[in-house]
Amino acid sequence: KAGVTQTPRYLIKTRGQQVTLSCSPISGHRSVSWYQQTPGQGLQFLFEYFSETQRNKGNFPGRFSGRQFSNSRSEMNVSTLELGDSALYLCASSLEGSSGANVLTFGAGSRLTVL
Amino acid sequence: GNSVTQMEGPVTLSEEAFLTINCTYTATGYPSLFWYVQYPGEGLQLLLKATKADDKGSNKGFEATYRKETTSFHLEKGSVQVSDSAVYFCARLNTGNQFYFGTGTSLTVIP
Repeated sequence: KAGVTQTPRYLIKTRGQQVTLSCSPISGHRSVSWYQQTPGQGLQFLFEYFSETQRNKGNFPGRFSGRQFSNSRSEMNVSTLELGDSALYLCASSLEGSSGANVLTFGAGSRLTVL
Repeated sequence: GNSVTQMEGPVTLSEEAFLTINCTYTATGYPSLFWYVQYPGEGLQLLLKATKADDKGSNKGFEATYRKETTSFHLEKGSVQVSDSAVYFCARLNTGNQFYFGTGTSLTVIP
């Protein structure tokens, strides 16, 4: 069974540009979450989507947005990039279930460098 | 609150040494608790989990026991190997499918 697939794995952008990252969850998983990982801040929760609806949202500015499609694939977008947006962006999927049963399965991440 | 606090690294151990990485959580309800591991250049992988008090999660020689009385979920391994070198994250899951991660502890095992 294929894991969580994130594309692209690496990308370089310049300040002011925008970027779109893609995530294909494990087949059958309906929940997709996004995290930003940086050396200084660790893992920070961006948002979670379930059945095409944003269910949870972290404390990030409106430049960070996402969406989920009917096949559960998800994209996140960052507009007007800043140097501080350089990070590893991790996507994770999980089955919907009772609290405590859920396990996040992570992709390998998309490493974004903003110059 | 919903925080998770884990010991800061980096931790450097010799092969076959005993490992403990401390993790405590704020006592808001009864969250499920997890340890994830991140090897260089990869995403996070689930190492073990516990869903209720006194549960013990175990995998690949690692163990952690959910201790409600001390609100802790410390990770232990009796004899570490070079291949265990990685970053370890403690995490809690609250209702609403919201995970909270600790800051991560980097472990380096030297031969």
